Amino acid sequence: GQQVMQIPQYQHVQEGEDFTTYCNSSTTLSNIQWYKQRPGGHPVFLIQLVKSGEVKKQKRLTFQFGEAKKNSSLHITATQTTDVGTYFCAAAGGTSYGKLTFGQGTILTVHP
Amino acid sequence: GAVVSQHPSRVICKSGTSVKIECRSLDFQATTMFWYRQFPKKSLMLMATSNEGSKATYEQGVEKDKFLINHASLTLSTLTVTSAHPEDSSFYICSAREVVAGLSSYNEQFFGPGTRLTVL
Repeated sequence: GQQVMQIPQYQHVQEGEDFTTYCNSSTTLSNIQWYKQRPGGHPVFLIQLVKSGEVKKQKRLTFQFGEAKKNSSLHITATQTTDVGTYFCAAAGGTSYGKLTFGQGTILTVHP
Repeated sequence: GAVVSQHPSRVICKSGTSVKIECRSLDFQATTMFWYRQFPKKSLMLMATSNEGSKATYEQGVEKDKFLINHASLTLSTLTVTSAHPEDSSFYICSAREVVAGLSSYNEQFFGPGTRLTVL
């Protein structure tokens, strides 16, 4: 089945530092989504990338989809303590069911 | 955004009993809902896809008779963990996909708050 590898597993940063998490797939993806899960919470949708080479920004967050549609990244500029949580990428199967395969997630800790 | 509720939020049961978890889409209709299992500090593992009016589609390695799924209406799916054992203890999360007319490629999923199951 479809697999999505996500690194790093953990990332500790000082408040104000940047953060990046990466996702890679061995197969071409129809689209990729990013979710954030706060400690004790449930995943919340952040964004969906569909086009090759697509770049989208949400305030301090920048999302990229690779040219080959096999990799993606999420970059946070000048992290804040509110950024703490686990960030997941999820590959959509492209079927009418919208089935998602999640990456392992990156647990972000921000030290004040 | 759309809201998905899940009930109960937490349940503790004895080994051998069955537990039913409900997942509801509150302000939209969901022909498809998904059930995930998550271990501490781990990723979400898709267990099954719940289809309204038809049988659920289970992922490889997930026992159909162990995890019974019923999608009785466009706003409700239930997961029943039958004859639960301590190894079934986990965080179970459902999600629903809101179908947006004209946007068949739009796959945003809305997640319920999760149910933490502890089997003693």
